[in-house]
Amino acid sequence: DVKVTQSSRYLVKRTGEKVFLECVQDMDHENMFWYRQDPGLGLRLIYFSYDVKMKEKGDIPEGYSVSREKKERFSLILESASTNQTSMYLCASSSPGIAGVSWGNEQFFGPGTRLTVL
Amino acid sequence: AQSVTQLDSHVSVSEGTPVLLRCNYSSSYSPSLFWYVQHPNKGLQLLLKYTSAATLVKGINGFEAEFKKSETSFHLTKPSAHMSDAAEYFCVVTSMDSSYKLIFGSGTRLLVRP
Repeated sequence: DVKVTQSSRYLVKRTGEKVFLECVQDMDHENMFWYRQDPGLGLRLIYFSYDVKMKEKGDIPEGYSVSREKKERFSLILESASTNQTSMYLCASSSPGIAGVSWGNEQFFGPGTRLTVL
Repeated sequence: AQSVTQLDSHVSVSEGTPVLLRCNYSSSYSPSLFWYVQHPNKGLQLLLKYTSAATLVKGINGFEAEFKKSETSFHLTKPSAHMSDAAEYFCVVTSMDSSYKLIFGSGTRLLVRP
């Protein structure tokens, strides 16, 4: 059974704290993603990585950074948490898509981390 | 720009009646389309996908969707709703338009009444 796991289901932090969200996948996937999910907005891509040590900004990267030191692990970092970063954070992974294109394939999601910043 | 629109934010049906969740997309290139389901406090699970093969796609748990290029639609249906179908459903599109990133709709919450 394929799996994407996230380090915490629920997290409460204070404004200004540095926050680490960890994601691990056991499918040997090249691609990994971080999204945030807010009511009425669907999922918005924060960052993605298509290989170890490679990363690219998604649609809303401001206030976030990422790290991918090993193929199976992708970390999201909030350098200085703010209240507007209170959200559900979802990690996903996928294999390369059709014709060698990196994307376009279904993604496998973790259970999510609900982060509250006070 | 590529986009996907889920026409209903909430749909309510009675158990045993048909389900229809509507999705329209825009894409300049041949798209791949997906439906994902999210049960409360869970991650997203793939229901079905269309990748330019058969236009009628069958998924898990009795769901299916039909790709209609002329209508730019990919509506999700199920003949008979079950209580366990209550969840949020996301329509997703990807193509060369978005450099193959997944573009998510805003979601449709399905309520199933006993």
